[in-house]
Amino acid sequence: EVQLVESGGALVQPGGSLRLSCTASGFTVSSNYMNWVRQAPGRGLEWVSVIFSDGIIYYADSVKGRFIISRDNSKNTVYLQMNSLRAEDTAVYYCAQTAAYWGQGTLVTVS
Amino acid sequence: IVLTQTPLSSPVALGQPASISCRSSQSLVHSDGNTYLSWLHQRPGQPPRLLIHKISNRFSGVPDRFSGSGAGTDFTLEISRVEAEDVGVYYCMQATQFWTFGQGTKVEIK
Repeated sequence: EVQLVESGGALVQPGGSLRLSCTASGFTVSSNYMNWVRQAPGRGLEWVSVIFSDGIIYYADSVKGRFIISRDNSKNTVYLQMNSLRAEDTAVYYCAQTAAYWGQGTLVTVS
Repeated sequence: IVLTQTPLSSPVALGQPASISCRSSQSLVHSDGNTYLSWLHQRPGQPPRLLIHKISNRFSGVPDRFSGSGAGTDFTLEISRVEAEDVGVYYCMQATQFWTFGQGTKVEIK
């Protein structure tokens, strides 16, 4: 069974940093493309970043230069390092393996 | 790629049909010939759940009252008979070029 579990969300001050983790089970992250998607309170879904199986990475313009996606194959985990955080980064952050499998999300509050 | 959904709100009586439209700012046909247009359903406090992928393919466990159609830039999700559990927000999503989502359509019981 595919399962994704995010962690690392917290309350952080503007300008601060946070690292989110997404631990997978039931499949291998290194063999799949993994995405981070966020949802601000009461708002819609916004794609943040993707890491492909070959290591190619892309970011949304809103986070480019501030966020870094990476993975640890030995831990079957994908990370999102978030730097220079702003109030508008406040959201629930989901990791997703294709559109079929989503984690429960982790809340990041920048205030 | 920008996805525009209509309507943004849809009050529907139980047992009645519902339809949501999704229009893309450009063709969603991928170079591999597939069209990566999906429909997701989200209830409050829950992550999105995949209903339909590649325009019209129901995901595992999705009731057959949900159907998807369309091509190119225009797509539709139809619910043949709305049930109480169908309330929530529906998003179209494209994965042809990275991911983008429509604004969401809130379905509620009238």
